[in-house]
Amino acid sequence: NAGVTQTPKFRVLKTGQSMTLLCAQDMNHEYMYWYRQDPGMGLRLIHYSVGEGTTAKGEVPDGYNVSRLKKQNFLLGLESAAPSQTSVYFCASSYSLPGQMYAGELFFGEGSRLTVL
Amino acid sequence: SQQGEEDPQALSIQEGENATMNCSYKTSINNLQWYRQNSGRGLVHLILIRSNEREKHSGRLRVTLDTSKKSSSLLITASRAADTASYFCATEGSWGKLQFGAGTQVVVTP
Repeated sequence: NAGVTQTPKFRVLKTGQSMTLLCAQDMNHEYMYWYRQDPGMGLRLIHYSVGEGTTAKGEVPDGYNVSRLKKQNFLLGLESAAPSQTSVYFCASSYSLPGQMYAGELFFGEGSRLTVL
Repeated sequence: SQQGEEDPQALSIQEGENATMNCSYKTSINNLQWYRQNSGRGLVHLILIRSNEREKHSGRLRVTLDTSKKSSSLLITASRAADTASYFCATEGSWGKLQFGAGTQVVVTP
């Protein structure tokens, strides 16, 4: 049982290049999330998905796009990378929404470290 | 903006001592969660406490929740070197999804 798997783990881009981060979960979770983590700022939600074929904006969505074509996969794309997008990106999944009274935990991947020069 | 704010930002203790960190939040919540992150790794869920609960235990972890003060505390008893990590509280924020604080960095020295 792999849980949540992110690829790639490391990537260096030049300003203006594009790339896609892949997240895969094998727990049959409905809900998936992309966060970015920057020093001193905790984790900030970029985009999330409440089911296959659906996506929604989070706290810091600008400059990113996402797709959820299959339930187990959630892709995060950068169309034109900027140095401000240098960060560690975490994908997470859950079986229920965190804000619900009987919400459960989030399961996180190991992170993808992106550097934009 | 962050919903949860941890205090202190950093904590250094010796093995065997207890570690206490606090989390304050701004709006009413249904539940509050604590996570641990080892250096260079993903976050791992530790414990969830619901708004109708005041205290919860899991092994050496004790979490309290005071909804009147909008605060929570995480206590790690008899700390070990392996407890060295960053600890985050998380609540549902203005986006309706889980929001994380900046974390407390805990260093446990042998």
